[in-house]
Amino acid sequence: EIVMTQSPATLSVSPGERVTLSCRASQSVSSNLAWYQQKPGQAPRLLVYGASTRATGIPARFSGSGSGTVFTLTISSLQSEDSAVYYCQQYTNWRGTFGQGTKVEIK
Amino acid sequence: EVQLVESGGDLVQPGGSLRLSCAASGFTFSSHSMNWVRQAPGKGLEWVSYISTSGSTIYYADSVKGRFTISRDNAENSLYLQVSSLRAEDTAVYYCARNLHGDYVVDYWGQGTLVTVSS
Repeated sequence: EIVMTQSPATLSVSPGERVTLSCRASQSVSSNLAWYQQKPGQAPRLLVYGASTRATGIPARFSGSGSGTVFTLTISSLQSEDSAVYYCQQYTNWRGTFGQGTKVEIK
Repeated sequence: EVQLVESGGDLVQPGGSLRLSCAASGFTFSSHSMNWVRQAPGKGLEWVSYISTSGSTIYYADSVKGRFTISRDNAENSLYLQVSSLRAEDTAVYYCARNLHGDYVVDYWGQGTLVTVSS
């Protein structure tokens, strides 16, 4: 099973600042990497897939990069509504595994 | 608009069973493979089961294999998960999740249905 590891576990950032979240795979997943945002009491929402393709309706301040085993989600200018837990997921096959999540808090 | 609406979650005793349902609308259900993904209270996401567009290919997480059964009815635009021999560790919100056409990435999620296993 491919293990996904996210860092940091929690991030506290001021509005307008740049945020960088990291995700590492235990083996290469090529570009089969997605990022999801989950707010309290809500279902996850797809932000990025294919490591760098924004999903429909996702603001341009969200961007993904990386390939192989190291990936990054960047929020260029944090907005208050971006407070959430962010998960990465590899989907090289039918058994997609998730990272443990990074919680982004607003200062 | 894509909609996935789960139902069937409940409080059940250890060893009990439930049938979870997911009603899909707003897209061609038969063209998308589907999944169940769960989330224990305060925890992360765990993929549970996958079913192909026709239902001919099915996979389960090791943690539920032999106890859970996924199925779909393309004529009724519905996805199901029969959960049996339930354990306390199966307590979670169960999400119905659609895969992007032709891929394994989940692009839409339902709001989830809560299964609580407790005596």
